[in-house]
Amino acid sequence: KNEVEQSPQNLTAQEGEFITINCSYSVGISALHWLQQHPGGGIVSLFMLSSGKKKHGRLIATINIQEKHSSLHITASHPRDSAVYICAVSGWETSGSRLTFGEGTQLTVNP
Amino acid sequence: DAGVTQSPTHLIKTRGQQVTLRCSPKSGHDTVSWYQQALGQGPQFIFQYYEEEERQRGNFPDRFSGHQFPNYSSELNVNALLLGDSALYLCASSVGLAADTQYFGPGTRLTVL
Repeated sequence: KNEVEQSPQNLTAQEGEFITINCSYSVGISALHWLQQHPGGGIVSLFMLSSGKKKHGRLIATINIQEKHSSLHITASHPRDSAVYICAVSGWETSGSRLTFGEGTQLTVNP
Repeated sequence: DAGVTQSPTHLIKTRGQQVTLRCSPKSGHDTVSWYQQALGQGPQFIFQYYEEEERQRGNFPDRFSGHQFPNYSSELNVNALLLGDSALYLCASSVGLAADTQYFGPGTRLTVL
């Protein structure tokens, strides 16, 4: 069993839809990260959070430490949101800043 | 302010050869982490350098080695290349060793034939 699991693996939406991607982890952490990866490989950090909720534009990330669960929401989705969204954790046991990644969720938003 | 840079962008090698990948961290960052991403999978942690020392290592064989220079840039070396080493190699920089936002480079795509 992976330490970090995401669902769904693939997601197709119509432009304007509200999107939710889920992440569950099985270890103690100090932070959870949401990242975006576009075709060609570049990875961009979207959020780092250790409690509660963060919002940036149309993106919202929440975390429930007790349930070891996080969600990434995209409101009013747009075709330019199409990318792979990856959940990662850091700071568990003695791992410090090293990231342990989930497998990613491939999001496709159709016009 | 330049972000994280990596070179080369693409590389093709044959089995048994050796390869060196390079990474320059974001200005002000002193920690460099290396990840391997196979096609269709999430990145896997290789190792992390801070103060010119390897601080943590993932589950990778000794064929994978690295170095960090006084200017915080880093190299990843892979010896005796195998077909399974074909992947995107990502470098990420951050500050210190505590959990922190990591900034990723564009990656080096290594193909082993």
